Amino acid sequence: QQQVKQSPQSLIVQKGGISIINCAYENTAFDYFPWYQQFPGKGPALLIAIRPDVSEKKEGRFTISFNKSAKQFSLHIMDSQPGDSATYFCAARRGGGADGLTFGKGTHLIIQP
Amino acid sequence: DAGVTQSPTHLIKTRGQHVTLRCSPISGHKSVSWYQQVLGQGPQFIFQYYEKEERGRGNFPDRFSARQFPNYSSELNVNALLLGDSALYLCASSLNHGPETQYFGPGTRLLVL
Repeated sequence: QQQVKQSPQSLIVQKGGISIINCAYENTAFDYFPWYQQFPGKGPALLIAIRPDVSEKKEGRFTISFNKSAKQFSLHIMDSQPGDSATYFCAARRGGGADGLTFGKGTHLIIQP
Repeated sequence: DAGVTQSPTHLIKTRGQHVTLRCSPISGHKSVSWYQQVLGQGPQFIFQYYEKEERGRGNFPDRFSARQFPNYSSELNVNALLLGDSALYLCASSLNHGPETQYFGPGTRLLVL
């Protein structure tokens, strides 16, 4: 049972463009939603995270948009750069945290120069 | 400051063998979680430990076990290895138990032949 659905599976964006990755969740008990970036051979690195009491959070070129009623959240990467080419994972965690993070299947992002 | 460290980096085992993976959390962090990441998928939660006690367990068989030591480092043990156990095993540390930010180590790449 996949509790966090991520799309698209792969994405190609031109340098300077906006990369958009979407996630949808089912469990309304989730109350923490992070995004991770992973390069080949490395562990995931936290990019940005949001809690459901806010609809948007921005850190540098990275923005999370959160729609609680639709149970959806998305990552926007502004002014995408070749160094942003990586696999991105959305995740969610239930309040109390005993279940650990539930991850989406990932989006392989390629930024073309 | 050192991040999360894991050892070994790579490991090759044969079916039926036993393996022990090790993790040292970020200094001051008291919680360690273990995840399994199969190639092309998002990480899947195995265990969380906090203050040397198991606080959460994912949907993995009893062949998987873990423990946390007084210095907050942790071991993941897998018995009777199967080919399907081949994966990247990730350790994540967080300051406390609950929906805290989790910081991942580089992982141990396990290949079961």
